[in-house]
Amino acid sequence: AQKVTQAQTEISVVEKEDVTLDCVYETRDTTYYLFWYKQPPSGELVFLIRRNSFDEQNEISGRYSWNFQKSTSSFNFTITASQVVDSAVYFCALSEPGVAGANSKLTFGKGITLSVRP
Amino acid sequence: NAGVMQNPRHLVRRRGQEARLRCSPVKGHSHVYWYRQLPEEGLKFMVYLQKENIIDESGMPKERFSAEFPKEGPSILRIQQVVRGDSAAYFCASSPTGDEQFFGPGTRLTVL
Repeated sequence: AQKVTQAQTEISVVEKEDVTLDCVYETRDTTYYLFWYKQPPSGELVFLIRRNSFDEQNEISGRYSWNFQKSTSSFNFTITASQVVDSAVYFCALSEPGVAGANSKLTFGKGITLSVRP
Repeated sequence: NAGVMQNPRHLVRRRGQEARLRCSPVKGHSHVYWYRQLPEEGLKFMVYLQKENIIDESGMPKERFSAEFPKEGPSILRIQQVVRGDSAAYFCASSPTGDEQFFGPGTRLTVL
């Protein structure tokens, strides 16, 4: 069975600090996708990134970066120079191959509540 | 280019009533997923549908819950005889291929 663990439940930082959100996953599949979503106080889910299991290159997008390490089954997310607008709940998720080869359901971690103080 | 639409955004029901949650996928997407988010929890998969077919309902409670995605019209998640424990945010996602999922804004169900 698939599992996503986000051991940190709440993180509080001061604006401009860097912060890393950890994600560890378990799967028996060799083909899978990993995701990060942001859920701001307004409640919607905002897609941040998708990474497939064969691509271990690190990704950088502005102040956001992701570190995928297959050897440790981790997909960590770093926000550089955090801002108050980064305050949200962040979810890591894993998808498994479904019917007819299409990836189907996502398995989510419990989320990390990030508070960025001015 | 409209994204996934869900309505209503907020729904209040008394115990024993029925709740009907609607999801209109992105135009051209034929795959729909429903997830439930209980308070202080991550999202949990409920059901995966393609047009007129249920592909995977392994996350659906055995009783009172049903889902459909008809040939025409939105996908519907129906909860009969709601109980307080059904209070949650229900998210719908759609996909063109069954791969990348685009989420709607969610419906927040409160059962009094």
